[in-house]
Amino acid sequence: EDQVTQSPEALRLQEGESSSLNCSYTVSGLRGLFWYRQDPGKGPEFLFTLYSAGEEKEKERLKATLTKKESFLHITAPKPEDSATYLCAATMTTDSWGKFQFGAGTQVVVTP
Amino acid sequence: SQTIHQWPATLVQPVGSPLSLECTVEGTSNPNLYWYRQAAGRGLQLLFYSVGIGQISSEVPQNLSASRPQDRQFILSSKKLLLSDSGFYLCAWSPLREGTDTQYFGPGTRLTVL
Repeated sequence: EDQVTQSPEALRLQEGESSSLNCSYTVSGLRGLFWYRQDPGKGPEFLFTLYSAGEEKEKERLKATLTKKESFLHITAPKPEDSATYLCAATMTTDSWGKFQFGAGTQVVVTP
Repeated sequence: SQTIHQWPATLVQPVGSPLSLECTVEGTSNPNLYWYRQAAGRGLQLLFYSVGIGQISSEVPQNLSASRPQDRQFILSSKKLLLSDSGFYLCAWSPLREGTDTQYFGPGTRLTVL
């Protein structure tokens, strides 16, 4: 069964304390791995797409990486404005229209 | 640039009442369109997707339905709401071209059924 699992469920960080979020996937054939940021009461905001193992993408204090079994979202020297829920999702090669399989998310709180 | 709109932003409805949520996309043509529901503290559940006008596929059997009367308009409906229909409803769109599956989400509608 195709599955996407995120850990930890929640993460509390001090400002400047770097950390990583994990997204592990068991899908029949990975087409793409996606990261989104969601603020309370708002729709998810697209961050990154990764397609190949070894691929990395960066945006400000965020860096996403991909292996054959999991993806990491690294947050370097976080600031309070990085507080949000981070969602990952996978699409499979068996689905021609790009059906997303979402994880449950990691809620990140960054305190000053 | 592309923009996605949803309305209303919030809605409180009694059990048994009808529902109509609307989603429109600007700045693109022939997008894939999606309806998701997000329960409190949980991930996104895909409800419906559409690859073109009048083409709707359902992922989860329920008392909801979807329609796509125009290329960039997607409507989520119900004839009689249940308590379990409460949640955060999100519309998303994706470009219809090879090599990219990225979905872009709207601001969402918070539905409370009492």
